[in-house]
Amino acid sequence: GQQLNQSPQSMFIQEGEDVSMNCTSSSIFNTWLWYKQEPGEGPVLLIALYKAGELTSNGRLTAQFGITRKDSFLNISASIPSDVGIYFCAGPPAGGTSYGKLTFGQGTILTVHP
Amino acid sequence: EPEVTQTPSHQVTQMGQEVILRCVPISNHLYFYWYRQILGQKVEFLVSFYNNEISEKSEIFDDQFSVERPDGSNFTLKIRSTKLEDSAMYFCASRQGAGGELFFGEGSRLTVL
Repeated sequence: GQQLNQSPQSMFIQEGEDVSMNCTSSSIFNTWLWYKQEPGEGPVLLIALYKAGELTSNGRLTAQFGITRKDSFLNISASIPSDVGIYFCAGPPAGGTSYGKLTFGQGTILTVHP
Repeated sequence: EPEVTQTPSHQVTQMGQEVILRCVPISNHLYFYWYRQILGQKVEFLVSFYNNEISEKSEIFDDQFSVERPDGSNFTLKIRSTKLEDSAMYFCASRQGAGGELFFGEGSRLTVL
């Protein structure tokens, strides 16, 4: 099946720093989703990308859908303590229409030191 | 804001026991899902449910698992005879339409001893 690989696995940064993480796949994805999971909570959608090359922002978050459709990047600018959590990339199966059946990456754990 | 609610938040059970995890999806949503997250690992798809039947399931979702929508609001996941490896966080999710955003509940933590 399709697999998503995220890097880095974890990040320890100072408040105010910018963060960059990525997600790659050996197969094409037609939709890229970025979720954040906080302790004791379910994943919450941050950004959805639907078109190769698309660059989308949500406040301090910016994500890009790679031209090859095999990768995506998430950047967080001027990090704050509440950015702490696990960030997952995810996507539905290529060629399918089941947007609810998502493949998730293994996550990037972000720790922000005040 | 409408949300997906799940009960119980944490259940501890003995191996071999039956467990039912309950979910109340967002009221006008039509598509329902269960996902699983073993501690420290990624979130994995288990099953999707639409129009009162399973539309898709993963290889994890074997004969020990079943889902049901017994009334207009609840969506349940039953594990007939739990195994140690069933210990995980189970997330219910729902979405309104075919391409809509997936909303996750806070999860039910299952611990099998």
